[in-house]
Amino acid sequence: DTAVSQTPKYLVTQMGNDKSIKCEQNLGHDTMYWYKQDSKKFLKIMFSYNNKELIINETVPNRFSPKSPDKAHLNLHINSLELGDSAVYFCASSDEGTGNTIYFGEGSWLTVV
Amino acid sequence: GNSVTQMEGPVTLSEEAFLTINCTYTATGYPSLFWYVQYPGEGLQLLLKATKADDKGSNKGFEATYRKETTSFHLEKGSVQVSDSAVYFCALQTGANNLFFGTGTRLTVIP
Repeated sequence: DTAVSQTPKYLVTQMGNDKSIKCEQNLGHDTMYWYKQDSKKFLKIMFSYNNKELIINETVPNRFSPKSPDKAHLNLHINSLELGDSAVYFCASSDEGTGNTIYFGEGSWLTVV
Repeated sequence: GNSVTQMEGPVTLSEEAFLTINCTYTATGYPSLFWYVQYPGEGLQLLLKATKADDKGSNKGFEATYRKETTSFHLEKGSVQVSDSAVYFCALQTGANNLFFGTGTRLTVIP
């Protein structure tokens, strides 16, 4: 049973396209996140939602729009994709009940060509 | 502010060698400290954690002790295996639940 699952795992798309990455967690956690890992493996938070409400919104282009239909899902939509958006995107979740330890999904490898 | 500095890699060791990956941090307040591991082509996995000073986190033969006096959380393993080859990330977490990561250290273990 995958705790934090995200789809697709691999995505190759052309510049200018719009794409979405979906994330679901079955842990009952209240907080979900999106992190970006660049080509140098550097990891940085993009967004954080708690019970469907936006908590953290780092300096991210507004082409990136997170959507949380319920507390178990946090999808990432990206408009007008650019070459620099190529990265690995990680969904994650946490909860006070687990000491706020953050658990990550397996990542989505996005390549923009 | 909050930041994590970890030993730059890559690190190459022979099997059964002793491993140390250094990690120091700067934080406001009292953060929790973590080591995450990323195996080739895979996602991030929590390796171990410590939530307060002098706590020792351990898992799969890896250990790290939360040292407040030196603001460090060095990762150690007594005898590495080829299967330990991965990228290791030190991270701290503040009350806002945000994780601040180090730059990662790539470990390669050769037979």
